[in-house]
Amino acid sequence: DIQMTQSPSSVSASVGDRVTITCRASQGISHYLAWYQQKPGKVPKLLIYSISTLQSGVPSRFSGSGSETDFTLTISSLQPEDVATYYCQKYDIVPYSFGPGTTVDVK
Amino acid sequence: QLVESGGGLIQPGGSLRLSCAVSGFTVSSTYMSWVRQAPGKGMEWVSITYSGGATYYADSVKGRFTISRDSSKNTLYLQMNSLRAEDTAMYYCARAGDNVWDSWLDPWGQGVLVTVSS
Repeated sequence: DIQMTQSPSSVSASVGDRVTITCRASQGISHYLAWYQQKPGKVPKLLIYSISTLQSGVPSRFSGSGSETDFTLTISSLQPEDVATYYCQKYDIVPYSFGPGTTVDVK
Repeated sequence: QLVESGGGLIQPGGSLRLSCAVSGFTVSSTYMSWVRQAPGKGMEWVSITYSGGATYYADSVKGRFTISRDSSKNTLYLQMNSLRAEDTAMYYCARAGDNVWDSWLDPWGQGVLVTVSS
């Protein structure tokens, strides 16, 4: 099975900072990569699918990039409401594994 | 909208059936998935059912869990047998698209808590 890893496991940044989260697949997964945001105590929410397509309603400060095995989620200007854990997930073939998550905090 | 039910406290070795009542789309014509999250842990994909009927499971639940749906009730189910302490988690149902190339998860239900303990 393809393994998903994320780095860093946590990041603390100031409001307005640029935050970058990396997701890596152990084998190529083409464009079948999604990102989810889970705020504390809340249900996960789809942010991005197909590597870089923003789900409707997601602020434009979020962006995704990458291909095959290496992917990035970027928050261009961190806001207090972005405090959450972010997960990548592959959906090329089963199992549709998630990365371990990256917790983003505001200093 | 997806609304889960059926969770609770169950002894190891016991069985539980989770339900996910769906409104706004037809459960039989789309892909549906279950995902779980152990307390304080990350997300774990559990199972998916394709609109054509194929079903797939994570190795951790294969042979113990069964995903199914009832078109008449527009409801997704997860039958969980031989439950273990490590199955303790919040269980979420989610729509997983209509095709193999759009199987991201959206929307999600609010989750239902399963606690396996003696």
